[in-house]
Amino acid sequence: EVQVLESGGGLVQPGGSLRLSCVASGFTFSNYVTTWVRQAPGKGLEWVSGLTSGGSGGHTFYVDSVKGRFVISRDNSKNTVYLQMKSLRAEDTAVYYCAKGGMSTGMDVWGQGTTVTVSS
Amino acid sequence: QSVLTQPPSVSAAPGQRVTISCSGTSSNIGSNYVSWYQQLPGTAPKLLIYENTKRPSGIPDRFSGSTSGTSATLGITGLQTGDEADYYCGTWDSSLSAGVFGGGTKLTVL
Repeated sequence: EVQVLESGGGLVQPGGSLRLSCVASGFTFSNYVTTWVRQAPGKGLEWVSGLTSGGSGGHTFYVDSVKGRFVISRDNSKNTVYLQMKSLRAEDTAVYYCAKGGMSTGMDVWGQGTTVTVSS
Repeated sequence: QSVLTQPPSVSAAPGQRVTISCSGTSSNIGSNYVSWYQQLPGTAPKLLIYENTKRPSGIPDRFSGSTSGTSATLGITGLQTGDEADYYCGTWDSSLSAGVFGGGTKLTVL
């Protein structure tokens, strides 16, 4: 079965760091664009970051509000994509979803989401 | 304020047809493919339409997508109570070099 599973969310203080992981099964992550999307409580979807396909790492893209603070990366040996988040702010509080595919081709496989809460 | 503009809510009776609009600009909808997502309460989004008009396997043909210029439309026919959900359009914005979503539309089946 083709699926992705996120982990790594939790409660963190403002200014802190977290690393989210997204493990793929049933397909090879490096062959597809991978996207992180978040949803703040009671709000709509927000595209956060994308990583293009490619064995050498791919190209990375970020929404302006996380540039310089978040880094998306991929470990092909583990078929896992990461979202390293630092300097976290209250406004980063959200459910973070990992998805196979990009905004141009459509995201056809989504995880169940992992919750990040930034609060003191 | 979302880059793509959707109506906050739409409603229709069971069996009827509804459309949800998504308005953008030449740098997003006008030059890139649009996809549509359904999010049922408490669940992850689900892809309904990709590349403007295509349906993934398993999505019934009651759901359709179209585009015209800088706007996109999702159509749903034969409405069912199970279609009550939030619907989002999304695409790539070439000027921002980022993905963008609409603010979402809540569908109520009366």
